[in-house]
Amino acid sequence: DAKTTQPNSMESNEEEPVHLPCNHSTISGTDYIHWYRQLPSQGPEYVIHGLTSNVNNRMASLAIAEDRKSSTLILHRATLRDAAVYYCILRDPHRDDKIIFGKGTRLHILP
Amino acid sequence: KAGVTQTPRYLIKTRGQQVTLSCSPISGHRSVSWYQQTPGQGLQFLFEYFSETQRNKGNFPGRFSGRQFSNSRSEMNVSTLELGDSALYLCASTTGGRGQFFGPGTRLTVL
Repeated sequence: DAKTTQPNSMESNEEEPVHLPCNHSTISGTDYIHWYRQLPSQGPEYVIHGLTSNVNNRMASLAIAEDRKSSTLILHRATLRDAAVYYCILRDPHRDDKIIFGKGTRLHILP
Repeated sequence: KAGVTQTPRYLIKTRGQQVTLSCSPISGHRSVSWYQQTPGQGLQFLFEYFSETQRNKGNFPGRFSGRQFSNSRSEMNVSTLELGDSALYLCASTTGGRGQFFGPGTRLTVL
């Protein structure tokens, strides 16, 4: 299974942008990059996913490196409610592989 | 659409007992995955069911089993409970290669 590497924790000030990095140097050509986050006392929730091009949705943006070996989840204006553990995972929709969650990045938002 | 629902939300059992947890996926979702989450090990994949067949399995002992019904609802069973089985058990459903949608989880405490 392809592996992702994320920092254990990050801090950001409220109302500032946050860039959460993820390295996936062994990504295959058909792996999609998915991001999830888990707020305290809740199940994980889907944030965004992409293959090659940068993606935007109402929650966040996903910037994917040209060689696809890394990606960055961007929260444009962090709020206290964005404090959560953020997981970056790889999934090939054509291979039915099991999904492996790493330890993720615990994001702390400072008021 | 209603989200993924899991029952019960909380459960207390004693060592040696068995437990059955239930998951109802989002309508139309045919794939259901189960995860165990503990503070020490994080989110660990248990198994995935698709159209009533187990498609993937994680590295858990045979005491952990599951099944899926024709309406895509799924159950997981843990027999001969051990203290270390205390965890949050999460169910997620998906359709195709898009993101997974998680339920709120069942908090199992084994005494």
